[in-house]
Amino acid sequence: NAGVMQNPRHLVRRRGQEARLRCSPMKGHSHVYWYRQLPEEGLKFMVYLQKENIIDESGMPKERFSAEFPKEGPSILRIQQVVRGDSAAYFCASGYGGETQYFGPGTRLLVL
Amino acid sequence: QKEVEQNSGPLSVPEGAIASLNCTYSDRGSQSFFWYRQYSGKSPELIMSIYSNGDKEDGRFTAQLNKASQYVSLLIRDSQPSDSATYLCAARGDNAGNMLTFGGGTRLMVKP
Repeated sequence: NAGVMQNPRHLVRRRGQEARLRCSPMKGHSHVYWYRQLPEEGLKFMVYLQKENIIDESGMPKERFSAEFPKEGPSILRIQQVVRGDSAAYFCASGYGGETQYFGPGTRLLVL
Repeated sequence: QKEVEQNSGPLSVPEGAIASLNCTYSDRGSQSFFWYRQYSGKSPELIMSIYSNGDKEDGRFTAQLNKASQYVSLLIRDSQPSDSATYLCAARGDNAGNMLTFGGGTRLMVKP
């Protein structure tokens, strides 16, 4: 009865490095959503994926950010050439594609 | 631009009192509404969802929705210090994206 899993929980990167954030949805869920929460700000939608498909990436920055949800394995949010402004909490949520989304514990990214 | 607005607070109430949290939304197409609770440094936790006009009660929590006024509220009866957290209001539209649009959250402080 595991919930949404994310790893790592904390990630420290230097400017210019790559960050890879992983999300495993709840059992039976095939829809994954990524949100970002900047310090002292609300949650902002980034991308919505189903297995092997990006459904909505309207919240993704145009450069350096990408996401995938392969047929096997977790969903990956990839940030290339990180900058200090990328420091934030990144939350993954999963669902059946219906109304309710359940959030994982988040990955706190710190860019030095 | 679809927006969800909340008073950032802090809203301070004494233990045992009723806490009233409010939220307005701009997109008349929004169909579903959610209240999440987020403790500092933790992930959002779903408290309630509401889809129809009127009240929905779950234990000490009551969600209220008025689509004509584009207004959602959450009442917490018999507030406890453990209810002290940030409460996030979220709206989901009727498009295929399924994404949630979050307000900035209201910080609630329940004083013993």
